[in-house]
Amino acid sequence: EDKVVQSPLSLVVHEGDTVTLNCSYEVTNFRSLLWYKQEKKAPTFLFMLTSSGIEKKSGRLSSILDKKELFSILNITATQTGDSAVYLCASGGTSYGKLTFGQGTILTVHP
Amino acid sequence: GAGVSQSPSNKVTEKGKDVELRCDPISGHTALYWYRQSLGQGLEFLIYFQGNSAPDKSGLPSDRFSAERTGGSVSTLTIQRTQQEDSAVYLCASSLIQGTSPLHFGNGTRLTVT
Repeated sequence: EDKVVQSPLSLVVHEGDTVTLNCSYEVTNFRSLLWYKQEKKAPTFLFMLTSSGIEKKSGRLSSILDKKELFSILNITATQTGDSAVYLCASGGTSYGKLTFGQGTILTVHP
Repeated sequence: GAGVSQSPSNKVTEKGKDVELRCDPISGHTALYWYRQSLGQGLEFLIYFQGNSAPDKSGLPSDRFSAERTGGSVSTLTIQRTQQEDSAVYLCASSLIQGTSPLHFGNGTRLTVT
């Protein structure tokens, strides 16, 4: 059975801190790993990673995949209160449409 | 519209009643997915549709759950004889190309079974 595990489950930081969120996966015939940010409603897409060692970057957020060790990290630098959200990691394998999601990391950024 | 549209946004129903949840995907997206998110839990896959192919129903939790997609666009998720454990947020997503494009989610339907 495919499995995605995120850590930590929750994290409280102050504005300006840098955070690293972790995601490990066990997925049959791995194809991709995705990161989403979920505030109140719809998860919004952040990154899709398919190749090992290539960093994807968007502003203060970046992510990288290690296919040998089966994990990914999401980094957020100079955190802001607007970064407070649940960050979801998901992985897709043999069945293209069936993403397996982790339980999420709740990030709280205090002013 | 620009995004995935779901209706209703909230639904309260009595145990034993049937409910229908609707999803209108992003125009041009060929793949459509339904997920369920229970309180404090991650997203649980239910079903996906890709073009005219047979849907993958492997995530449907019981035969009370069914879904259809008409004309390759709008989808309806039906839950018959609702139970309290069906209470959750039902999220629909679509993607341009199945498996190679990221999923874009709607705001979900919050279902409460009393």
